[in-house]
Amino acid sequence: DIQMTQSPSSLSASVGDRVTITCRASQDINNYLVWIQQKPGKAPKSLIYDASSLQSGVPSRFSGSGSGTQFTLTITNLQPEDFATYFCQQYHNYPLTFGGGTKLEIK
Amino acid sequence: EVQLLESGGGLVQPGRSLRLSCAASGFTFSYSAMSWVRQAPGKGLEWVAGISGSGGATYYADSVKGRFIVSRDNSKNTAYLQMNSLRVEDSAVYYCAKNSKLAARAPVDYWGLGTLVTVSS
Repeated sequence: DIQMTQSPSSLSASVGDRVTITCRASQDINNYLVWIQQKPGKAPKSLIYDASSLQSGVPSRFSGSGSGTQFTLTITNLQPEDFATYFCQQYHNYPLTFGGGTKLEIK
Repeated sequence: EVQLLESGGGLVQPGRSLRLSCAASGFTFSYSAMSWVRQAPGKGLEWVAGISGSGGATYYADSVKGRFIVSRDNSKNTAYLQMNSLRVEDSAVYYCAKNSKLAARAPVDYWGLGTLVTVSS
């Protein structure tokens, strides 16, 4: 199975900040990666697919990059509604696997 | 507007069965693979199963292989997850998710609200 490792596991930031979350795959997954946001008690929401393509309706302050084994999610100009937990998921091989999550909290 | 509505969750004893349903609307159902993803209380996301748009291909996590069956009825715009021989560790919120392409190995673009399954004696 492909292991997905996210870092950091938690992060504190302020409104207006720029933050970066990293996801590392245990083997080459090309660009078959999605970034997902989840707020407490709510359903997940897909933000970015194919590592860098923005899902329809997602604000442009979210961006993704990377290929192979190293990926990043960057959020610029943090807004209050962005404080949530973020997961990466690979869809290169079965079983599809998720990173452990990064909890983004308000400083 | 894409909508995915799960149902069928509840409290069940270990060893028993439960069938989850996912009613879809707002898109051409047969054009999209579907996935089931679960989340145990306070834990991360775990992919459970996937099914292609035609229903001809199915895939399972090792943790549920041989116990769960994913299926779909394209005439009813509904996906299903038949869960047999349930274990305490299967307790979780189960999300139905739409994949962006016919093949199950495709990114999820929409998620349902989830249904809670609790396995306990």
